[in-house]
Amino acid sequence: DGGITQSPKYLFRKEGQNVTLSCEQNLNHDAMYWYRQDPGQGLRLIYYSQIVNDFQKGDIAEGYSVSREKKESFPLTVTSAQKNPTAFYLCASSESLAGASYEQYFGPGTRLTVT
Amino acid sequence: GQQVMQIPQYQHVQEGEDFTTYCNSSTTLSNIQWYKQRPGGHPVFLIQLVKSGEVKKQKRLTFQFGEAKKNSSLHITATQTTDVGTYFCYSGGYQKVTFGTGTKLQVIP
Repeated sequence: DGGITQSPKYLFRKEGQNVTLSCEQNLNHDAMYWYRQDPGQGLRLIYYSQIVNDFQKGDIAEGYSVSREKKESFPLTVTSAQKNPTAFYLCASSESLAGASYEQYFGPGTRLTVT
Repeated sequence: GQQVMQIPQYQHVQEGEDFTTYCNSSTTLSNIQWYKQRPGGHPVFLIQLVKSGEVKKQKRLTFQFGEAKKNSSLHITATQTTDVGTYFCYSGGYQKVTFGTGTKLQVIP
């Protein structure tokens, strides 16, 4: 059963703590993405990766970090420097970022609440 | 990066009425994709348009790509309650990945 998994579905943290969100895909996709969605808002790109060991900042990268050590995994760390981390976080993947666009497949998302 | 603007931001329609959302860019797009996100869910790919003036249909949904490849529209004929959700346009590829602002559709039974 191919797809993208994100865990956990809900996550609660205290202010000042770093937290890492998991994203795994078994679609053999090269490109992976992290988006943030606030209530009633669109999708804002945090980071994306075209290939293993390479990633690029998106529009709102401040306060976040990522790694891409394996093709199937693209974890996102929300650091204590992120001023307003409470949001819905979506991970996605596509075959490639290059050339004609490929559709993105999204995971179910993680709802992070920081108090 | 630049954002692709969508209008309207919200739309309430009576079940059976038609619905249209528009996606506009100030720059030429190489392609456009449309996604649907149900309440509480994640975006799901609907379709991709690549050619200037392209029109594609999926049952009650009609997608158009403008002649200048700077705008696109999604039209739903005779809406149903299952059409409820937020519709996003997206353009990517070698350009910086950009999602539109989204149009939230509410269907009143």
